[in-house]
Amino acid sequence: DTGVSQDPRHKITKRGQNVTFRCDPISEHNRLYWYRQTLGQGPEFLTYFQNEAQLEKSRLLSDRFSAERPKGSFSTLEIQRTEQGDSAMYLCASSLGGADNEQFFGPGTRLTVL
Amino acid sequence: KNQVEQSPQSLIILEGKNCTLQCNYTVSPFSNLRWYKQDTGRGPVSLTIMTFSENTKSNGRYTATLDADTKQSSLHITASQLSDSASYICVVSANFGNEKLTFGTGTRLTIIP
Repeated sequence: DTGVSQDPRHKITKRGQNVTFRCDPISEHNRLYWYRQTLGQGPEFLTYFQNEAQLEKSRLLSDRFSAERPKGSFSTLEIQRTEQGDSAMYLCASSLGGADNEQFFGPGTRLTVL
Repeated sequence: KNQVEQSPQSLIILEGKNCTLQCNYTVSPFSNLRWYKQDTGRGPVSLTIMTFSENTKSNGRYTATLDADTKQSSLHITASQLSDSASYICVVSANFGNEKLTFGTGTRLTIIP
């Protein structure tokens, strides 16, 4: 257990539905990252926050995706009008920043879009 | 384009044997290189992290090496155990201030009794 938690761990939804995932980082970590991982691939960067500010978004983050970190603590990732191609593991990580900026990953949310 | 390539893609070895996983990267400017272990259905867990000036770093039975000149790294696992079965992902951080990580696709290691 790294101290980063994600909820839910698994989500099955029908195409076209909206889903929301939550990430609770390690409490003193000011940086929070979202990644997407498909089977047999390494995680791909989606977006990252420094406190409550969303500082960077990947081109992978289409306009159907939105992430928030309203109070600089937990974060949510929402996917609207889900598509089958959204099926993946969504990973959250947090870090303190600094020289080595080690990122601690949560267990992930496995999304299956039918 | 920043890239991290790993080999082999998959590896099967007998319990108790040693193995070495390879990582080549083209990430620039280089900040650090990490090896993560990812069990099936779980998030990655950090094994080692090395900066430009470090050549080797150990964590128990795991030893990572880094050659920053050739942009290559290896992860050596000694006396493998069944619990070592997992994907091992090489991750390189570029020094752009946001410390964005570039992940390799991983090596899937299976230890058989």
